[in-house]
Amino acid sequence: AQKITQTQPGMFVQEKEAVTLDCTYDTSDQSYGLFWYKQPSSGEMIFLIYQGSYDEQNATEGRYSLNFQKARKSANLVISASQLGDSAMYFCAMREGRGNTPLVFGKGTRLSVIA
Amino acid sequence: DSGVTQTPKHLITATGQRVTLRCSPRSGDLSVYWYQQSLDQGLQFLIQYYNGEERAKGNILERFSAQQFPDLHSELNLSSLELGDSALYFCASSLTIGANVLTFGAGSRLTVL
Repeated sequence: AQKITQTQPGMFVQEKEAVTLDCTYDTSDQSYGLFWYKQPSSGEMIFLIYQGSYDEQNATEGRYSLNFQKARKSANLVISASQLGDSAMYFCAMREGRGNTPLVFGKGTRLSVIA
Repeated sequence: DSGVTQTPKHLITATGQRVTLRCSPRSGDLSVYWYQQSLDQGLQFLIQYYNGEERAKGNILERFSAQQFPDLHSELNLSSLELGDSALYFCASSLTIGANVLTFGAGSRLTVL
């Protein structure tokens, strides 16, 4: 079974608008971490935001926020005031448990910001 | 610049050949991870080292091997290359084993012809 599901292969958003990228996850662990990474066309993977399973507040980092709904097992990324430079692939990832477990990635969502 | 250095950035080789990809982790990071990104498989975890020792193994083929040296740089060796090995290979590093955030390098793009 897929651990991380990103159902939107591609998304378009107008510049300066907000956009939500969906991510659902599957785990039976109580302790886990959720991550979002950005991959621009140049190829590097850039860490955006992290949410721990015990964190009560939704994580925020500048224009990025993570809408964490534990009961629904969803961890959607919200980008506010989109910029042309936000055009990239976005990956949701999860790390299960407290020990040394690998980061597991979803298939990604390609976001295109339109002027 | 993430601080994780990967070389070479691009590599083109033929089937049956062997290549070595190199990674220097961010200063102070002791743990190194290797990931493979291909169009059909997405991002797959290959292997992890911590302070010179192998700590976790993922979907790494027997034709592939890796090591981490005393200066903490790591090498991923790919042998008997097949067309399907063409991919972007990422190295990532973190301070400790269970650290939350992995810092990725820019990747090494391997093309097998």
